[in-house]
Amino acid sequence: GAGVSQSPRYKVAKRGQDVALRCDPISGHVSLFWYQQALGQGPEFLTYFQNEAQLDKSGLPSDRFFAERPEGSVSTLKIQRTQQEDSAVYLCASTPDRAGTGELFFGEGSRLTVL
Amino acid sequence: RKEVEQDPGPFNVPEGATVAFNCTYSNSASQSFFWYRQDCRKEPKLLMSVYSSGNEDGRFTAQLNRASQYISLLIRDSKLSDSATYLCVSPQGGKLIFGQGTELSVKP
Repeated sequence: GAGVSQSPRYKVAKRGQDVALRCDPISGHVSLFWYQQALGQGPEFLTYFQNEAQLDKSGLPSDRFFAERPEGSVSTLKIQRTQQEDSAVYLCASTPDRAGTGELFFGEGSRLTVL
Repeated sequence: RKEVEQDPGPFNVPEGATVAFNCTYSNSASQSFFWYRQDCRKEPKLLMSVYSSGNEDGRFTAQLNRASQYISLLIRDSKLSDSATYLCVSPQGGKLIFGQGTELSVKP
């Protein structure tokens, strides 16, 4: 498709389970961003990649969160030993720019609910 | 102080009204800013970019005040379809920092 694709759209996990969220950016887009959005809040930055290089992971809330983009295209956000406070929508965005200085194109998000 | 701060609202206005949102930012080095719109349970989408003093696009006007470090968004002649959350965004260190968002509800 032409836009950013995320899967799964919805995920319910039991506390302690590991989850993996996938992002397929717009073809040719250099930079890819992950954001976490809790209910009623704005998107909070987690991490970003320029091609396959993870340039900033300062927003990852703990070492349970891990992101990769091994071939500079598809990215996976992994959350280990999920906790209830991880419940949120995880948004992926891409841009043709080398940094987030222009328009970000967002996917529809992956809504994670941890029971 | 958060990097980007907004009044969360909600702003409830009648159709046809003019409404303005403000946003303050902490990074004085930022050169450009953005307003994104987010409909309920949808992804954010770019509404307007704000460079130098401001930008106008139809019913929407965005202004930047560097001395006071705030950005404003003015919506004239509000439509029902303008109901959404408006997110103020500032670039910082290669990434975009979003505000909490201001919720607008336009009533008939």
